Amino acid sequence: SQQGEEDPQALSIQEGENATMNCSYKTSINNLQWYRQNSGRGLVHLILIRSNEREKHSGRLRVTLDTSKKSSSLLITASRAADTASYFCATGLSGSARQLTFGSGTQLTVLP
Amino acid sequence: DTAVSQTPKYLVTQMGNDKSIKCEQNLGHDTMYWYKQDSKKFLKIMFSYNNKELIINETVPNRFSPKSPDKAHLNLHINSLELGDSAVYFCASSQLTGTGGNTIYFGEGSWLTVV
Repeated sequence: SQQGEEDPQALSIQEGENATMNCSYKTSINNLQWYRQNSGRGLVHLILIRSNEREKHSGRLRVTLDTSKKSSSLLITASRAADTASYFCATGLSGSARQLTFGSGTQLTVLP
Repeated sequence: DTAVSQTPKYLVTQMGNDKSIKCEQNLGHDTMYWYKQDSKKFLKIMFSYNNKELIINETVPNRFSPKSPDKAHLNLHINSLELGDSAVYFCASSQLTGTGGNTIYFGEGSWLTVV
């Protein structure tokens, strides 16, 4: 079964609005990462948060991690049409730092 | 400058054929991967190599055989292709850091269609 599962599966918003995507996982993790995939392209790393961190920012991105609830959220503020993509969370398991386990992603559509 | 490059990008082939996908990374990373992404976008790891040695081999049919001639290359050979092998295959690489947590760099994907 999948380790990370994103929610919602699809999200459609207007340009300028904020987009929030959630990720839940099942086992103890070393770190959690978010990746972005544009249509027809490979995945690109966005941000990494370690298990001892609760929040991290990078530009318009804000990631939170709640290890007690085994969940993370990715917030994109002031969205742009160019943010349209699929967003994946990936969990790095404790004791297996080389392996990341991905979910099936949230498809974000930002309407101009 | 392409960091992780894989070829071909598109591959259409008949059932039963044997095909290969090549991958090269110029990032100096010690670990390379093959991932498979299905039609529902679920991304699943297939193999992982560290310095030419196999370290992760998920439950993949033995028709799939990875080969790593050196730590910058990881090729994927598939024998006796089946319809269910149709997917996007991503090569990737990473460098394990001492602080734990490794960012994975992906290639652009190889779209395999078996007809």
